Amino acid sequence: DTGVSQDPRHKITKRGQNVTFRCDPISEHNRLYWYRQTLGQGPEFLTYFQNEAQLEKSRLLSDRFSAERPKGSFSTLEIQRTEQGDSAMYLCASSLFTSGGYTFGSGTRLTVV
Amino acid sequence: DQQVKQNSPSLSVQEGRISILNCDYTNSMFDYFLWYKKYPAEGPTFLISISSIKDKNEDGRFTVFLNKSAKHLSLHIVPSQPGDSAVYFCAASDGGFSGNTGKLIFGQGTTLQVKP
Repeated sequence: DTGVSQDPRHKITKRGQNVTFRCDPISEHNRLYWYRQTLGQGPEFLTYFQNEAQLEKSRLLSDRFSAERPKGSFSTLEIQRTEQGDSAMYLCASSLFTSGGYTFGSGTRLTVV
Repeated sequence: DQQVKQNSPSLSVQEGRISILNCDYTNSMFDYFLWYKKYPAEGPTFLISISSIKDKNEDGRFTVFLNKSAKHLSLHIVPSQPGDSAVYFCAASDGGFSGNTGKLIFGQGTTLQVKP
């Protein structure tokens, strides 16, 4: 058990480019969550999966955002046509259905220039 | 609409003394509350939680108190240690965590500095 792994740790991209982040959860965890954190704020919920099914999406997740979790293992979060307002820390977390708390990854810091 | 609020952006205490971090919420449907600690360049780490059927939960140096009538919870750290210096987030769920989505609503965080 190596914890929740996120790749890359940092991403700098030009406005209008597409980016994709990957999250590898703890292997036995069936729930996977994506959150976004901006400076001075707490993490904000974006979406979550139970196994391979995406069960809820926040209204923060515009049409430019898409998340997948094929086969209920790793997950990807893609942002198309990035905007400067997308600059943030993107956090992935996983849990067991009956867990008392998430395990977060270290996050991917996105900077859109 | 900030449903979970941490009104103190920062707190400074001396080593060995008590640290008290506060959190207020507005949604009466919240029934499960958690505290997370975050160091720079790391993801938040789960610290302690409490269900709405309790008013206190203790784990070592950490105790969380819940006052449902006031919609207020607090985290007490006794004694405080320099290694406790971090950002602390309060979070709430309306699904009992294990029951519904497990989606958490986080406060803005309080930066705790423990001085040696």
